Amino acid sequence: QVQLHESGPGLVRPSQTLSLTCTVSGDSITSDVYYWSWIRQLPGKGLEWIGYIYYSGITYYNPSLKSRVTISVDTSRSQFSLKMNSVTAADTAVYYCARDRGTTVVDQWGQGTLVIVSS
Amino acid sequence: DIQMTQSPSTLSASVGDRVTITCRASQSINNWLAWYQQKPGKAPKLLISKASNLDSGVPSRFSGSGSGTEFTLTISSLQPEDFATYFCQQYKSYSSFGQGTKLEIK
Repeated sequence: QVQLHESGPGLVRPSQTLSLTCTVSGDSITSDVYYWSWIRQLPGKGLEWIGYIYYSGITYYNPSLKSRVTISVDTSRSQFSLKMNSVTAADTAVYYCARDRGTTVVDQWGQGTLVIVSS
Repeated sequence: DIQMTQSPSTLSASVGDRVTITCRASQSINNWLAWYQQKPGKAPKLLISKASNLDSGVPSRFSGSGSGTEFTLTISSLQPEDFATYFCQQYKSYSSFGQGTKLEIK
């Protein structure tokens, strides 16, 4: 059973860069079947897909966030990461990493990590 | 952008009831629709993909239908563990989610 675990700072200052890492266990991050996604849930609101990465480094981003987001992968550590620059309070959310079927349909999720953007 | 609208926002029901949640897309998404269940403090769980394909391990009381712009999630006989929030997701063009339907105990 695959497990995903998010890690990173819970507080980020406005205009700074949000950085999160997801560690994958129980499944190979180099699987040729799955992609690896980041999704966020804004407070009291719905879900927003951020983007995904394939183990080869191919990425696919939500157009509304693309200019501020970079997703990368480190297969040697079985990790993938999210960087989002120029954050504002509107980026305060629970951030989830997840296993993606390559369609943005996600079938396994991490437990989520709350990131607050505040000075 | 494809907008997804769920109705109702909140649904009150009792154990044993049959309930239906509707999701409408702002343009045709064929059958590129998924449904998720989320309980408080937990990550969402995939229930259905491609409008009607039940994910592995999901009880058969859950079913999905629809195509084009209108879709439904039906729970045939509510169980206590089904009280949660349900989201639809289109994946025809990038991805977008509905705002959620909270299913609460009457």
